Amino acid sequence: ETGVTQTPRHLVMGMTNKKSLKCEQHLGHNAMYWYKQSAKKPLELMFVYNFKEQTENNSVPSRFSPECPNSSHLFLHLHTLQPEDSALYLCASQLTGGGFRTDTQYFGPGTRLTVL
Amino acid sequence: DAKTTQPPSMDCAEGRAANLPCNHSTISGNEYVYWYRQIHSQGPQYIIHGLKNNETNEMASLIITEDRKSSTLILPHATLRDTAVYYCIVRESNSGYSTLTFGKGTMLLVSP
Repeated sequence: ETGVTQTPRHLVMGMTNKKSLKCEQHLGHNAMYWYKQSAKKPLELMFVYNFKEQTENNSVPSRFSPECPNSSHLFLHLHTLQPEDSALYLCASQLTGGGFRTDTQYFGPGTRLTVL
Repeated sequence: DAKTTQPPSMDCAEGRAANLPCNHSTISGNEYVYWYRQIHSQGPQYIIHGLKNNETNEMASLIITEDRKSSTLILPHATLRDTAVYYCIVRESNSGYSTLTFGKGTMLLVSP
């Protein structure tokens, strides 16, 4: 248990569906991240939010829409996805502000997404 | 961030020490070495990180060479539950947010 939770843990959706992934951190962190891990590929950074502001969008298609209403919650809204978007979607959080002990990212368990 | 090189796979007998190497010959002075592991289909788990001194915590020890061009993660008494992909990541540490660049890692198989 890392203090970062993700729901749902598994999701199956059709290409015309709209769904959302949720991430919540209970660590008092202020930066949150979305990563994508496709089969047999390294993790890829998708989005970064720092103090609720989006600071990085790693050329992610617009069918993925992130939302960060506060520092504890992060959403990934999905619409008109493709089968190749099937992957493990991981959320992470970090305390920013410097110092040796604050730079560690802690990951949630991930959401396994299957697009039919 | 500097690039890292790890062997694709390693085997270890249960109860023995697992020594996982990582080369980071282009590491710069302000870059830390981080280790994470990922058990199948779960989120990556933070293990340990260091700058130049050796570090130890309840999970593992991190040995960094004096020139900082390589490091070794040591699991002192490997168990079956330590079977996972282990990632060595080099990253600059600063006061802002940071990103982690994951490579392919080392698949450690601990067997009875």
